[in-house]
Amino acid sequence: DIQMTQSPSSLSASVGDRVTITCRASQSISSYFNWYQQKPGKAPKLLIYATSSLQSGVPSRFSGSGSGTDFTLTISSLQPEDFATYYCQQTYSKSSSFGQGTKLEIK
Amino acid sequence: QVQLQESGPGLVKPSETLSLTCTVSGGSINNYYWSWIRQPPGKGLEYIGYIYYTGSTNYNPSLNSRVTISVDTSKNQFSLKLSSVTAADTAVYYCARESRDRGWLDPWGQGTLVTVSS
Repeated sequence: DIQMTQSPSSLSASVGDRVTITCRASQSISSYFNWYQQKPGKAPKLLIYATSSLQSGVPSRFSGSGSGTDFTLTISSLQPEDFATYYCQQTYSKSSSFGQGTKLEIK
Repeated sequence: QVQLQESGPGLVKPSETLSLTCTVSGGSINNYYWSWIRQPPGKGLEYIGYIYYTGSTNYNPSLNSRVTISVDTSKNQFSLKLSSVTAADTAVYYCARESRDRGWLDPWGQGTLVTVSS
């Protein structure tokens, strides 16, 4: 099984801050990698697919990068609606897996 | 646009079988992969498995012996059965469409809470 480890597990930041969340895979996963945003009581929402492609309708302040085992999600200027939990996902193996999540909170 | 909706009992007794159905509207179930994901209260996401519209399946090895996913193309639905449930199977269960390209999940259903309790 491929393990996905996100860091940090939680993060406090202010509106307007630049924020970076990282995810490391236990083995190389090429670009079979995605990011999701989840707000309380809601289903996860796809933000970034195939490492760096922005899902339609997602603001351009979100961006993704990485390859192999190390990946990042960057929010260039935090907005109030961005405070949520973020999950990474690998789809390299037939049995997909998610990171444990990063909770982004208002400072 | 495509929308997904989970349905099924919200309470299941221990040792029994959890059964959920996901109804796809606004588009055809054909030519896509369809997945189930769950999230225990206050915890992270766990991938359960997928089914292709033709009926081929793939399951999370940790659940493989207890999971069955099936599809009914005539009803535009796919279903999840999880046998021998325990309290550890209490979770919000989501269905989602899985990309044929690199497996991203979009869209998702709103999720349904299933509690395992006597």
